[in-house]
Amino acid sequence: QSVLTQPPSASGTPGQRVTISCSGSSSNIGRNTVNWYQQLPGTAPKVLIYSNNQRPSGVPDRFSGSKSGTSASLAISGLQSEDEADYFCAAWDDSLKGWVFGGGTKLTAL
Amino acid sequence: QVQLQQSGPGLVKPSQTLSLTCAISGDSVSSNSAAWNWIRQSPSRGLEWLGRTYYRSRWYNEYAVSVKSRITINPDTSKNRFSLQLNSVTPEDTAVYYCTRTGDGGDYWGQGTLVTVSS
Repeated sequence: QSVLTQPPSASGTPGQRVTISCSGSSSNIGRNTVNWYQQLPGTAPKVLIYSNNQRPSGVPDRFSGSKSGTSASLAISGLQSEDEADYFCAAWDDSLKGWVFGGGTKLTAL
Repeated sequence: QVQLQQSGPGLVKPSQTLSLTCAISGDSVSSNSAAWNWIRQSPSRGLEWLGRTYYRSRWYNEYAVSVKSRITINPDTSKNRFSLQLNSVTPEDTAVYYCTRTGDGGDYWGQGTLVTVSS
């Protein structure tokens, strides 16, 4: 049972906008920033968004993040087939004194 | 560009010690703006943070409650790397283990090491 809650799956057609939610609590998302990761099959997770809404260099601006209260969202606009992957959210938890993760959302491009 | 290169055995016997090393290039394990973490991933437990080491005028180590009695993370400044030791392993410790960097300057992950606990 993951500390952060994500839907197990999401889907969209190419070109569509898709959002993935991440729900936490006052001890993690409510107090700290959120990172989002993309994991392609057989590879390590790669950071897509850090500090709620910042993109590392090289990440397309189709990917965006937001946070409100104890929840966060990842939005992917102009969905492409190569966006098919698992997506995870993460945040530092002040009560557990460690990083906590969502269970992951498998994104399918229909 | 920071790169993390993991090394260590992929098979460990039950009750023995799991040992992995993460070599750092492009940054220093003694950086005042980074933390060096170990995270594992398994189908049953998902992504699980195990602990971290970092330097802020002195060394700090922080561990997840779930493994606190069995884990040691050590920095090695002479070789610019850090290590993970997990004692008394059981089959439930079977997972892909990742070393990661967090903090100012970016978030980076090693390539991952599948560690299987089996006799």
